[in-house]
Amino acid sequence: ETGVTQSPTHLIKTRGQQVTLRCSSQSGHNTVSWYQQALGQGPQFIFQYYREEENGRGNFPPRFSGLQFPNYSSELNVNALELDDSALYLCASSLTENTEAFFGQGTRLTVV
Amino acid sequence: QKEVEQNSGPLSVPEGAIASLNCTYSDRGSQSFFWYRQYSGKSPELIMFIYSNGDKEDGRFTAQLNKASQYVSLLIRDSQPSDSATYLCAVATGRRALTFGSGTRLQVQP
Repeated sequence: ETGVTQSPTHLIKTRGQQVTLRCSSQSGHNTVSWYQQALGQGPQFIFQYYREEENGRGNFPPRFSGLQFPNYSSELNVNALELDDSALYLCASSLTENTEAFFGQGTRLTVV
Repeated sequence: QKEVEQNSGPLSVPEGAIASLNCTYSDRGSQSFFWYRQYSGKSPELIMFIYSNGDKEDGRFTAQLNKASQYVSLLIRDSQPSDSATYLCAVATGRRALTFGSGTRLQVQP
């Protein structure tokens, strides 16, 4: 157990809909990163939050947005869902931006 | 050129053998290196990290780093069927979040 929890674990949405995924970070960690993992691929970096500010973003369109709260929990929002958004979404917490990251169990999103 | 490259495998080794997993990275400024294990349908689990050139051992696992060659490896001694999984190499550069390779699938044959 990493102490990082994500909800929900599975989700099915229709193309064009919006989705919000949630993550609670490990106690003492103020950095949260979100990754998308397609089948057979490594995790792809979406964005990172440090003390409620976005401090890094990968090559994802603006319809992927996020938020970090004062307790360092975080949300990932995806608007206008596309079929290619179907993937495992992973949240990771760490002490700082480039130290070891601990993952939650992930949210499996299916867009139909 | 991908930032972090791994052979996708599968790498097949017999039970009790040494499994050797390799990873190369492109950014010479990379500072920290991590190995994660991921079982099918599960999230990645951190098993090793290394910051300095040389070897770092933890139980049956040894991470090796050669910054001059931009190469990091993971050795698993006395491989067990329970080690069968995908192994992800991740690299940290500057203050950026981790960059992952696509993973190497390891199969340990009983």
